Amino acid sequence: GAVVSQHPSWVICKSGTSVKIECRSLDFQATTMFWYRQFPKQSLMLMATSNEGSKATYEQGVEKDKFLINHASLTLSTLTVTSAHPEDSSFYICSASHRAYEQYFGPGTRLTVT
Amino acid sequence: AQSVTQPDIHITVSEGASLELRCNYSYGATPYLFWYVQSPGQGLQLLLKYFSGDTLVQGIKGFEAEFKRSQSSFNLRKPSVHWSDAAEYFCADRTQGGSEKLVFGKGTKLTVNP
Repeated sequence: GAVVSQHPSWVICKSGTSVKIECRSLDFQATTMFWYRQFPKQSLMLMATSNEGSKATYEQGVEKDKFLINHASLTLSTLTVTSAHPEDSSFYICSASHRAYEQYFGPGTRLTVT
Repeated sequence: AQSVTQPDIHITVSEGASLELRCNYSYGATPYLFWYVQSPGQGLQLLLKYFSGDTLVQGIKGFEAEFKRSQSSFNLRKPSVHWSDAAEYFCADRTQGGSEKLVFGKGTKLTVNP
């Protein structure tokens, strides 16, 4: 149980375009979902926390207009990187929580912006 | 600010040898501690967690961790390492104040020599 999926697993897009990443909890209802960014050989940096049906809460320094997060249902959250630039290239990981204090992580999405 | 410290950036052990990965948390009357493992290009898998109770916690894949409040530590151990254990290991603590957010250490990369 407690499986989280992400789609796509990797994506290449051109500079200036937007790309959407989906995060799904497959066998549980996730009241809270988290989006992280991970640079090569570094730890995870929390970008935002989203609760179903409400606006996401962004961490300091994260551009909310660039990284749009939607948590439309208890099993789906999306991260849209708008007007992507090469510096947005990174590994994006989502996690979902179905009870307090435990997060289950997705497999990650590798984004490359050319 | 709350922090999690993993003093060892990189550890190399021989297959069959014992392993201990160190983790120190900064503060918290009631820490909620986790160990995750990440293989290259993958998401995070939960190895074990400590919320309360027995300070020696058993996890998956033969891992265990011991919570020591006096040392603010939550070290991960395995008596005999397998080549498949080579990965990045992250220690995390739930943030104080009731939030579900996690604070991650910088990670320890484990290399296993044959």
